[in-house]
Amino acid sequence: ETGVTQTPRHLVMGMTNKKSLKCEQHLGHNAMYWYKQSAKKPLELMFVYNFKEQTENNSVPSRFSPECPNSSHLFLHLHTLQPEDSALYLCASSQGQTTYSNQPQHFGDGTRLSIL
Amino acid sequence: GENVEQHPSTLSVQEGDSAVIKCTYSDSASNYFPWYKQELGKRPQLIIDIRSNVGEKKDQRIAVTLNKTAKHFSLHITETQPEDSAVYFCAATGGIGTASKLTFGTGTRLQVML
Repeated sequence: ETGVTQTPRHLVMGMTNKKSLKCEQHLGHNAMYWYKQSAKKPLELMFVYNFKEQTENNSVPSRFSPECPNSSHLFLHLHTLQPEDSALYLCASSQGQTTYSNQPQHFGDGTRLSIL
Repeated sequence: GENVEQHPSTLSVQEGDSAVIKCTYSDSASNYFPWYKQELGKRPQLIIDIRSNVGEKKDQRIAVTLNKTAKHFSLHITETQPEDSAVYFCAATGGIGTASKLTFGTGTRLQVML
């Protein structure tokens, strides 16, 4: 079983749909992350949750809404998306971050999202 | 905020040769520098990382060097093999209050030719 599991692997949705992406980690970590990976662009950090508290929102539009009910699960709720939101959405986890420590992040396989 | 630049964008080497990928960063407070390998259709995988209190780290055929003064770090792969073909990403983070905020480079597509 992989350490970080994302579902679904692929998602096609219309601009008016509402869907959710799910991430689950089995590594005993306390920090979880959402990234967006688009072609020809660097991985972009979207949100960070550290010990279930959101510590980073990297100027993400409100049509993306994260939820972290516990340290093992992370969701990304999607509504009224735009065609430019089509991308690979990656979840990652790490040991809980402290102000002075940086912990390695482990990624899931991602959800390939296509907006029609 | 942090800005990471990565070069080259593509790199082709003959099997057995060495490959070097270079990154520069802008925030002098950054203190953690991981490297990820991403094969086609797969997740980014951490292959090596270095912290600012060391200048070099090696793990078998891969090594990373860090020059804090010049604010650049490099990935070195020796004796390249076909399975090394992938996209490699550098990243940087650090500084007070930014421990979790990785900034990635744009990636280097490495092709190892037989």
